[in-house]
Amino acid sequence: NAGVMQNPRHLVRRRGQEARLRCSPMKGHSHVYWYRQLPEEGLKFMVYLQKENIIDESGMPKERFSAEFPKEGPSILRIQQVVRGDSAAYFCASSPTGLAYEQYFGPGTRLTVT
Amino acid sequence: GQQVMQIPQYQHVQEGEDFTTYCNSSTTLSNIQWYKQRPGGHPVFLIQLVKSGEVKKQKRLTFQFGEAKKNSSLHITATQTTDVGTYFCAGPGGSYIPTFGRGTSLIVHP
Repeated sequence: NAGVMQNPRHLVRRRGQEARLRCSPMKGHSHVYWYRQLPEEGLKFMVYLQKENIIDESGMPKERFSAEFPKEGPSILRIQQVVRGDSAAYFCASSPTGLAYEQYFGPGTRLTVT
Repeated sequence: GQQVMQIPQYQHVQEGEDFTTYCNSSTTLSNIQWYKQRPGGHPVFLIQLVKSGEVKKQKRLTFQFGEAKKNSSLHITATQTTDVGTYFCAGPGGSYIPTFGRGTSLIVHP
């Protein structure tokens, strides 16, 4: 029973490039959350998606960031024209329900912008 | 929006000592969850509390939910080096969005 999968685990991008982060939820989970974590800090909510729908993107910057969760395939967090301040760990979590109950986190993608 | 405050931010203990982290909310929480994140790792769900005054135990870990459902605590008895990590509480913020505390980092000295 595979857990939440994220890839890549580490990603290095130069300023101005695009970063694509992928998340495959646990089997049977249709709710996906994306979080950002800076060193020594907590988890900052970015976006909550269900299949083919963005439910809440209030934590995601309006520019350069987008997310999707297509009918088939993983959820994608896309960061265009990355800047150094985007360097962080990005975690996705999946949940069997959308009621903010327990979430199961993936291993994260560590993004470094040089 | 709702905030969940967690204290202390860091806690150093000698192996064998007890440890407690506290989570406080200004508003009533319908539920609260606790997670553990090892250094370099990802958050792992530990437990969820739902009922007022609820107490749950997992081996050396004891979780409590306050009577008013505005605070919670995690207590570890006789810490071990394997307990090292950051412990987060999370409560429902908006309808579907969990709000995480900043976490308490536990450092256990052998």
